[in-house]
Amino acid sequence: DAKTTQPPSMDCAEGRAANLPCNHSTISGNEYVYWYRQIHSQGPQYIIHGLKNNETNEMASLIITEDRKSSTLILPHATLRDTAVYYCIVRSLYNQGGKLIFGQGTELSVKP
Amino acid sequence: DVKVTQSSRYLVKRTGEKVFLECVQDMDHENMFWYRQDPGLGLRLIYFSYDVKMKEKGDIPEGYSVSREKKERFSLILESASTNQTSMYLCASSLYPSTGDTEAFFGQGTRLTVV
Repeated sequence: DAKTTQPPSMDCAEGRAANLPCNHSTISGNEYVYWYRQIHSQGPQYIIHGLKNNETNEMASLIITEDRKSSTLILPHATLRDTAVYYCIVRSLYNQGGKLIFGQGTELSVKP
Repeated sequence: DVKVTQSSRYLVKRTGEKVFLECVQDMDHENMFWYRQDPGLGLRLIYFSYDVKMKEKGDIPEGYSVSREKKERFSLILESASTNQTSMYLCASSLYPSTGDTEAFFGQGTRLTVV
């Protein structure tokens, strides 16, 4: 599975959009981009995923560049409860067991 | 609500003890995973299973074994616990990806301390 690169930390003001970048320059054609987050002392939680089109759900939007070498997770109106570590993962649909390999993630701090 | 349940939230064991960490999911998922999480090292995959009685090593299997006798249950076994196995252990499950792209669901974690 392709590796990802994320900034180790970011700050965001409450109510503003949080834009979390991820580089995955070695992504291959059958690999999806997944985002998870982990709030302190809890297990990771799925946010969103995509292949090549932009995606939106009730939690966030995912913007994938045309060459698929990078993506951005957007939390449109960040709240204090969005403070967490955010993980960007690329995963093949067909890799054995569908295992998820986590990197170091981005620690997002939402400040009042 | 989908659920992945880990048997204990906190556990304290002595060095040399045999330790069982249990995980149960109620979503009929084929895949189950065990991770450990340590400060500065992130989440690391220990073992995973994509079917009953099937198992594959992850990135750090040394010192651990697993058992999957039933689809809903995946056990992590520390044959002889050591202090360097003090960690947060997380279990997860997901559908097998050939049925479609799917997300993984995680339990709340077991914080194991080996003294």
